[in-house]
Amino acid sequence: QQQVKQSPQSLIVQKGGISIINCAYENTAFDYFPWYQQFPGKGPALLIAIRPDVSEKKEGRFTISFNKSAKQFSLHIMDSQPGDSATYFCAASIHVIQGAQKLVFGQGTRLTINP
Amino acid sequence: DSGVTQTPKHLITATGQRVTLRCSPRSGDLSVYWYQQSLDQGLQFLIQYYNGEERAKGNILERFSAQQFPDLHSELNLSSLELGDSALYFCASSPNRASGSPLHFGNGTRLTVT
Repeated sequence: QQQVKQSPQSLIVQKGGISIINCAYENTAFDYFPWYQQFPGKGPALLIAIRPDVSEKKEGRFTISFNKSAKQFSLHIMDSQPGDSATYFCAASIHVIQGAQKLVFGQGTRLTINP
Repeated sequence: DSGVTQTPKHLITATGQRVTLRCSPRSGDLSVYWYQQSLDQGLQFLIQYYNGEERAKGNILERFSAQQFPDLHSELNLSSLELGDSALYFCASSPNRASGSPLHFGNGTRLTVT
């Protein structure tokens, strides 16, 4: 129940196109949903995040869409660029005990933007 | 640069051995998290410390242990190593322990068990 399912595993998009990555969860106790971007040889870096009381959040070319009733959220990358080629992870956070958080990650999507 | 420092970057050791991975969190961050990343398992949460105390445990094997010291750096100890322990081990830190506190990851330690 503390899993986050991410799809697709890999995605190829043409430069200038829209990249869409989807995630689904079961546990309604999750209360924070970040997306991380990881380049080869580097650790994941926080890209954008959303709380479940908001249906959409936009930061530059990156948008999170959140559907609380469907327990799904997605990342949209507009005007995708070759520099966006990376692995993207969705995640969900839950309180464990006394305010401690457990961040559960999806399996990752390897995004390739073709020039 | 996330501000989280992990050493060593690479570690090659034999089965049955014991290793220690080290993490220095970002300045001011009190929480430290350890994650294991393997090709088939993605990023798996191992353990969280806050200000020296263990706060949350994930899928951490009994052969693994961790601690956070008074200066807030953390060490992950892996013992009786098996081939399957080969993975990237990431440390992350956050300002506090609450859900929603953003995690900042180091660049990881790549462990190879031969």
